[in-house]
Amino acid sequence: AQSVTQLGSHVSVSEGALVLLRCNYSSSVPPYLFWYVQYPNQGLQLLLKYTSAATLVKGINGFEAEFKKSETSFHLTKPSAHMSDAAEYFCAVSKAQGGYGKLTFGQGTILTVHP
Amino acid sequence: EAGVAQSPRYKIIEKRQSVAFWCNPISGHATLYWYQQILGQGPKLLIQFQNNGVVDDSQLPKDRFSAERLKGVDSTLKIQPAKLEDSAVYLCASTDSNGIAEQFFGPGTRLTVL
Repeated sequence: AQSVTQLGSHVSVSEGALVLLRCNYSSSVPPYLFWYVQYPNQGLQLLLKYTSAATLVKGINGFEAEFKKSETSFHLTKPSAHMSDAAEYFCAVSKAQGGYGKLTFGQGTILTVHP
Repeated sequence: EAGVAQSPRYKIIEKRQSVAFWCNPISGHATLYWYQQILGQGPKLLIQFQNNGVVDDSQLPKDRFSAERLKGVDSTLKIQPAKLEDSAVYLCASTDSNGIAEQFFGPGTRLTVL
């Protein structure tokens, strides 16, 4: 079975500050890992994904995440927050093989950016 | 390229009533997913189709939920009868393959059961 834990349901930062959203996963098989963003009343949009290539993954809008197998983590970071980053962020895991792309999501982290 | 379309966007019904949601995936996408997103939680997979066949429906409450994907394109998710705990956003997603391909999500249908 696979699971995802996102530490902190709410994160608040000032504009220009570092954004760090934490994600830990559990998987009995090699995982693929994803970060999605959801703006109010919209569907989910893929920010970035790890698929067993480079452990440091760069995504859209200046976000990046690092896969750390020893820590079973896939934390999302952005050096400088922008007001437009305010949204809900979801970490998700799928099986690298045999999972047919099924995603298991964390509970989400709401990011608030203050001026 | 048109995205995943869903309708209606909002639906309010009373408990024990029936409701249906429609999804039109991105053209050519063979795999279609329905997720349930309860307020404050991440999306949970209800059912996955590969073309018009079901790949995974292990978390679909089959006593009240049903889904079909005729001709391997559009899909309909139905709830009959609805319960209060079915209040959620129902998301449809599609992808052109399994595994690492990005899933493209529709805007969702927000269901309120009174």
